[in-house]
Amino acid sequence: DARVTQTPRHKVTEMGQEVTMRCQPILGHNTVFWYRQTMMQGLELLAYFRNRAPLDDSGMPKDRFSAEMPDATLATLKIQPSEPRDSAVYFCASGTQLTGTYEQYFGPGTRLTVT
Amino acid sequence: AQKITQTQPGMFVQEKEAVTLDCTYDTSDPSYGLFWYKQPSSGEMIFLIYQGSYDQQNATEGRYSLNFQKARKSANLVISASQLGDSAMYFCAMREGRDSGAGSYQLTFGKGTKLSVIP
Repeated sequence: DARVTQTPRHKVTEMGQEVTMRCQPILGHNTVFWYRQTMMQGLELLAYFRNRAPLDDSGMPKDRFSAEMPDATLATLKIQPSEPRDSAVYFCASGTQLTGTYEQYFGPGTRLTVT
Repeated sequence: AQKITQTQPGMFVQEKEAVTLDCTYDTSDPSYGLFWYKQPSSGEMIFLIYQGSYDQQNATEGRYSLNFQKARKSANLVISASQLGDSAMYFCAMREGRDSGAGSYQLTFGKGTKLSVIP
């Protein structure tokens, strides 16, 4: 049963610290998305990649967030320095155009708390 | 203007009854896709069902069906024979455009509807 995996599942950190979240997309999927979910804003798209190339990161605060795909099996989202307002659940999702429907499959999320 | 509108913040349904969750969308693109996701209290987002703008028939997946009314720009999710495990947040989402380049994979999500199934 192919799934998107994310680590860590939970992270508590102090303001100012660096946070790195990792995602392993489903094997064979060529698009990867990073979302942030909060009660106030709902689900927001932060960035996404196709064939490891960044296509859109307009949803990310550029001064502190960065997203990369060093290889096809790993995507990372980094926050440096972290702030309390970054507290949220961060989801990674992957997809492929081969299905013709472009549905996205989500990982379990990383629940980030910045104190 | 919001692209995806879910007007029901919360709904209750009796176990074994059917329930309809509303979703309206806004797009000028003739090619688009509509999705429904389920998010139980455990937090994961589960893909349920897809409807393409050119599909002639309403999509169905087990107990889930999508009531697609293109002229009214609505894509309501119907869950038949509700079960306790259906209690969750449900999100409607839309993808605009064909795969013609950057942006065609993005999903825009609604705010969600919280469904509670009563025993």
